[in-house]
Amino acid sequence: GNSVTQMEGPVTLSEEAFLTINCTYTATGYPSLFWYVQYPGEGLQLLLKATKADDKGSNKGFEATYRKETTSFHLEKGSVQVSDSAVYFCARTFSGNTPLVFGKGTRLSVIA
Amino acid sequence: GAVVSQHPSRVICKSGTSVKIECRSLDFQATTMFWYRQFPKKSLMLMATSNEGSKATYEQGVEKDKFLINHASLTLSTLTVTSAHPEDSSFYICSAREEGGHGYTFGSGTRLTVV
Repeated sequence: GNSVTQMEGPVTLSEEAFLTINCTYTATGYPSLFWYVQYPGEGLQLLLKATKADDKGSNKGFEATYRKETTSFHLEKGSVQVSDSAVYFCARTFSGNTPLVFGKGTRLSVIA
Repeated sequence: GAVVSQHPSRVICKSGTSVKIECRSLDFQATTMFWYRQFPKKSLMLMATSNEGSKATYEQGVEKDKFLINHASLTLSTLTVTSAHPEDSSFYICSAREEGGHGYTFGSGTRLTVV
């Protein structure tokens, strides 16, 4: 079926470490792909997105590339900060008014 | 950018009472809004799709008589939790997609606690 699978956390990293959070999707057709971030006690914020194959979304030092051949959209950041501690959700949707389908979320904790 | 305002942010109610959560699109018209529920340390579960001027579409397993959704205008959708029970305690989040837009905007969420 149509779903999103992301690596389970929690992930704990030291400040300035490299971050990768894996995300793969199954879907018929060509979905749009998103990463959302949820800081403690807050709602969801769009971090980045990609709408077609080979697109790279980037924001605040985070990047993710839409890989059709591997059906993946892994999130990366070269040097994490304590302020990046949050829960990260991978999501996909299609055009029109279809809802977002989320992965289970990955909790990231960055320690100084 | 597009803003969705959700109120209240927190609410505590007694068992058996009803609670209404509002979701407003502030600077755009949202013909469709989505309501999600998030359990502690879990992902977001889509509850229903709210369509302006028509009945909401509920996901399997969601009780439509318990979670009443009204989308009476292009800028307002409401979720009413009727006869609330402690197991309804959760974080509820609405989302809207601007007509012709390319992304989804989320409300800040409502933490409901039923005592």
